Amino acid sequence: NAGVTQTPKFRILKIGQSMTLQCTQDMNHNYMYWYRQDPGMGLKLIYYSVGAGITDKGEVPNGYNVSRSTTEDFPLRLELAAPSQTSVYFCASRRDREPGRGYTFGSGTRLTVV
Amino acid sequence: AQKVTQAQTEISVVEKEDVTLDCVYETRDTTYYLFWYKQPPSGELVFLIRRNSFDEQNEISGRYSWNFQKSTSSFNFTITASQVVDSAVYFCAFILTGGGNKLTFGTGTQLKVEL
Repeated sequence: NAGVTQTPKFRILKIGQSMTLQCTQDMNHNYMYWYRQDPGMGLKLIYYSVGAGITDKGEVPNGYNVSRSTTEDFPLRLELAAPSQTSVYFCASRRDREPGRGYTFGSGTRLTVV
Repeated sequence: AQKVTQAQTEISVVEKEDVTLDCVYETRDTTYYLFWYKQPPSGELVFLIRRNSFDEQNEISGRYSWNFQKSTSSFNFTITASQVVDSAVYFCAFILTGGGNKLTFGTGTQLKVEL
């Protein structure tokens, strides 16, 4: 199993550009999450989804959009990139009836906005 | 709302020293899970341990041990005989059951183990 796959691994954007961070999982997990990690900080939740067609805001959703058209994919969209969105982005997934198992994380996408 | 506090921002030790990383959590719920993750310099998140709120048994895994005390809302992590490879950022995290089962992270403790 590949687990949770994130692409790209690195990206440099100019202010005002847009991009989509891709996340896909092959474990048939219903729950998926997007986190951002700023330098020297913990992870903060951007958006999450409890199943295909259902998404909800996390702690820091401003400037981002998500969609969940399939169980496998949970892309994160940045419409107008700003320097404040420079961060490492982690996608994660988990089984819905196993809260104790925690999350499976992707390897992260390092985004720099200049 | 739940909260996880890791008051130690950075700890430096010399190899072979023991080191304890503190984690304090806040919640009014009785059912929850606590976790520790390691983030080495390569950046990935490595799961170390989980503990549910009904299991206060301490756990030892090799050089790692965890002390869970509900009375003080703490879930501390001790590395015995630290090694340079233990250098990483360590995160304590928390899940409530229900409500999307969102994982809430502490701000992390940077551990530096030097020769």
